Amino acid sequence: AQSVTQLGSHVSVSEGALVLLRCNYSSSVPPYLFWYVQYPNQGLQLLLKYTSAATLVKGINGFEAEFKKSETSFHLTKPSAHMSDAAEYFCAVSNFGNEKLTFGTGTRLTIIP
Amino acid sequence: EPEVTQTPSHQVTQMGQEVILRCVPISNHLYFYWYRQILGQKVEFLVSFYNNEISEKSEIFDDQFSVERPDGSNFTLKIRSTKLEDSAMYFCASTRSGVQNEKLFFGSGTQLSVL
Repeated sequence: AQSVTQLGSHVSVSEGALVLLRCNYSSSVPPYLFWYVQYPNQGLQLLLKYTSAATLVKGINGFEAEFKKSETSFHLTKPSAHMSDAAEYFCAVSNFGNEKLTFGTGTRLTIIP
Repeated sequence: EPEVTQTPSHQVTQMGQEVILRCVPISNHLYFYWYRQILGQKVEFLVSFYNNEISEKSEIFDDQFSVERPDGSNFTLKIRSTKLEDSAMYFCASTRSGVQNEKLFFGSGTQLSVL
């Protein structure tokens, strides 16, 4: 069985500050891990994906995430928040690539001007 | 960038009625999926579809649900007799192949409200 836990349903950061969104996973086999972003009235957009290559994964819009097996974590970071980063962020895990993703409950990111 | 299109964006129906949610995947994609998100809860996998067959489904996807690709472009999700608990945002997704590095594209969703 696989599962994902996102700590913090709401995170607020000041513009220009570090963004850190936390995700811990549980998987019985080496996982595929994803971060998706959802802007208002839009679909889920892939930010980045870990597929057992490099443990530090760089995504779009300046985001990156590091896979830490010892901590079963895949936290999402961005060095400097921008107003346009305000959105809902979902961590997801799969044992089969793009098949049957299991999502977390999401973290709503608010950027304070 | 190509888009997965879902219609309608909002659907309201009475309990017990049948609904069909429509999706137009990206044209050269071969793998199709439905997910749903009940308000305040996780996005949940419903079903995957390839080569005109269901390849995997979750325990949520019971006999009340069916999927179809009727004309080679649309991909539909039918709920035969809707229940109040079917109220959710339904997302369609598609990808070109089953290769692990392929990107999964999601539509913007259909908000289903069952009254």
